[in-house]
Amino acid sequence: DQQVKQNSPSLSVQEGRISILNCDYTNSMFDYFLWYKKYPAEGPTFLISISSIKDKNEDGRFTVFLNKSAKHLSLHIVPSQPGDSAVYFCAASAQYSSASKIIFGSGTRLSIRP
Amino acid sequence: DAGITQSPRHKVTETGTPVTLRCHQTENHRYMYWYRQDPGHGLRLIHYSYGVKDTDKGEVSDGYSVSRSKTEDFLLTLESATSSQTSVYFCAISESTPGASPLHFGNGTRLTVT
Repeated sequence: DQQVKQNSPSLSVQEGRISILNCDYTNSMFDYFLWYKKYPAEGPTFLISISSIKDKNEDGRFTVFLNKSAKHLSLHIVPSQPGDSAVYFCAASAQYSSASKIIFGSGTRLSIRP
Repeated sequence: DAGITQSPRHKVTETGTPVTLRCHQTENHRYMYWYRQDPGHGLRLIHYSYGVKDTDKGEVSDGYSVSRSKTEDFLLTLESATSSQTSVYFCAISESTPGASPLHFGNGTRLTVT
């Protein structure tokens, strides 16, 4: 049973427009959420995170929104640039659980078209 | 970039042979992880370590064992490789408890079991 779900395998966005990547989770114990970006033949790199005590975290062009009641988070990239073309993974964990692990979604491939 | 080196980067092996993948870090981080990445599944945790000689299972640990005799090295062993273990394997490290700080990944090992 997937605890973290990214229901869109791929997304195509025009350069300069907003990219919105979505993620849903099922475990109400999750309280720390992260987004990773992955280029081919490289390891994932950390992009941005949010704690459950917040509903928004912003870092430059990247903003993550958290809706705890809906168990949903989203990553907004604006404006989208060609270098943003990559696979994006959503991840979640329960920070203070003794068995805490980071669980990843299946990823969304973002393509930025000219 | 976090100092994480995975070796080998590519390996082709035959079914039934043992295989060991190595992860080496220079960050002196306490926590180390092995993930595998497969299409449609994202990143799934195989095993992780929270200190020298301290390890625990992840969600897909069957057929894999790990060892950590030094802070800097975390080994993943496939005792008898099977075709279902063809995958890309990523090592990751974190400074703090799982879920309380981001993971930093190596560049992966592509393993093919024929």
